[in-house]
Amino acid sequence: AQSVAQPEDQVNVAEGNPLTVKCTYSVSGNPYLFWYVQYPNRGLQFLLKYITGDNLVKGSYGFEAEFNKSQTSFHLKKPSALVSDSALYFCAVRDITNTGFQKLVFGTGTRLLVSP
Amino acid sequence: DGGITQSPKYLFRKEGQNVTLSCEQNLNHDAMYWYRQDPGQGLRLIYYSQIVNDFQKGDIAEGYSVSREKKESFPLTVTSAQKNPTAFYLCASSILGTNYGYTFGSGTRLTVV
Repeated sequence: AQSVAQPEDQVNVAEGNPLTVKCTYSVSGNPYLFWYVQYPNRGLQFLLKYITGDNLVKGSYGFEAEFNKSQTSFHLKKPSALVSDSALYFCAVRDITNTGFQKLVFGTGTRLLVSP
Repeated sequence: DGGITQSPKYLFRKEGQNVTLSCEQNLNHDAMYWYRQDPGQGLRLIYYSQIVNDFQKGDIAEGYSVSREKKESFPLTVTSAQKNPTAFYLCASSILGTNYGYTFGSGTRLTVV
């Protein structure tokens, strides 16, 4: 089965500094990768995805992610963090069931805390 | 506005009771999903459905049941057999195939009292 790992429970960064939230994946075949953000007591919101093409993917709210096949990573990045970026971030990968149904498998989440 | 509506936002259940969480979407999506979220464990798949009148168990289906009588609706029942139901429940929908990702509802927080 496909899986993703988010090695950090929490990332702390000062406002204005660059941020990175890490994600590594384990898949057979080509990976389809996603990033979502969750604000308190809310559902998840889509940020960006990698299906194929350029290794640097740009998404919502100034976020981008770098796909690295050799390191099996898909880290989320932003050049300059905002306090309002503080939230829970989830990495996800496509999995295919034995009946051919495609679904997403999520990581355990990383809490990002941006201090003023 | 198109989207997914979950209700209620907060729900309290007594021991031994069954409760039903509502999920309605007007996105014309074929696939719908229920996830459970617990601190430090991420999202775990309970049930999913790719078509009306069909649904499949996810990773943690025990103690839960669903129905899919209409394309727009995918209610989740938390039965008394679920021993630890206190959690945040998220409903999602998607076009078949995941190239488009999921659209999530705003969640229901269930607490056993």
